[in-house]
Amino acid sequence: GAVVSQHPSWVICKSGTSVKIECRSLDFQATTMFWYRQFPKQSLMLMATSNEGSKATYEQGVEKDKFLINHASLTLSTLTVTSAHPEDSSFYICSALLQGNEQYFGPGTRLTVT
Amino acid sequence: AQSVTQLGSHVSVSEGALVLLRCNYSSSVPPYLFWYVQYPNQGLQLLLKYTTGATLVKGINGFEAEFKKSETSFHLTKPSAHMSDAAEYFCAVSPTGNQFYFGTGTSLTVIP
Repeated sequence: GAVVSQHPSWVICKSGTSVKIECRSLDFQATTMFWYRQFPKQSLMLMATSNEGSKATYEQGVEKDKFLINHASLTLSTLTVTSAHPEDSSFYICSALLQGNEQYFGPGTRLTVT
Repeated sequence: AQSVTQLGSHVSVSEGALVLLRCNYSSSVPPYLFWYVQYPNQGLQLLLKYTTGATLVKGINGFEAEFKKSETSFHLTKPSAHMSDAAEYFCAVSPTGNQFYFGTGTSLTVIP
């Protein structure tokens, strides 16, 4: 089946630093990937849609300058949290779109900003 | 705008009992419908999906869901709960297949 990986699975960083999270589709090509944020005991909140070779589409209320998304290849999208602050601590999940309507999710990255 | 409502943020069932997790959506046209399961500190795993055709959809691990257009519902069921079914379950809809809207999730507890 389709597999999506994320790296790192858990990262702790100091306030003010930047963190990059990678999302890879391991056995298929994905022109579209999604980035979600999930708070404890809550649902997924779509942050942005990442399209290979073009700029990401951000959801309302998501700061594009803070959450930089790059989808440089058909198997890799990255999310960079710039100048991270404690309120950015969350579980970040990516997914890749396969065959038009089926998403495959990565295992998630837990970000803790101290 | 799309909305997905999952009634009951917490559901407890005894092992071997019927599992019923409810999902209602708002959409002017029949969307694509999905159920996902999430185990602690993990990503989401697709249980089943409805796109077109038969309204009763069978998924993995013995789960199934029925699309009822008149009720705008897509409830998830399993005849007999297993301890390993304890997890968080999310219903999702996609009007076009390119954007997905998730419900708030239902935490399923299975009592031995």
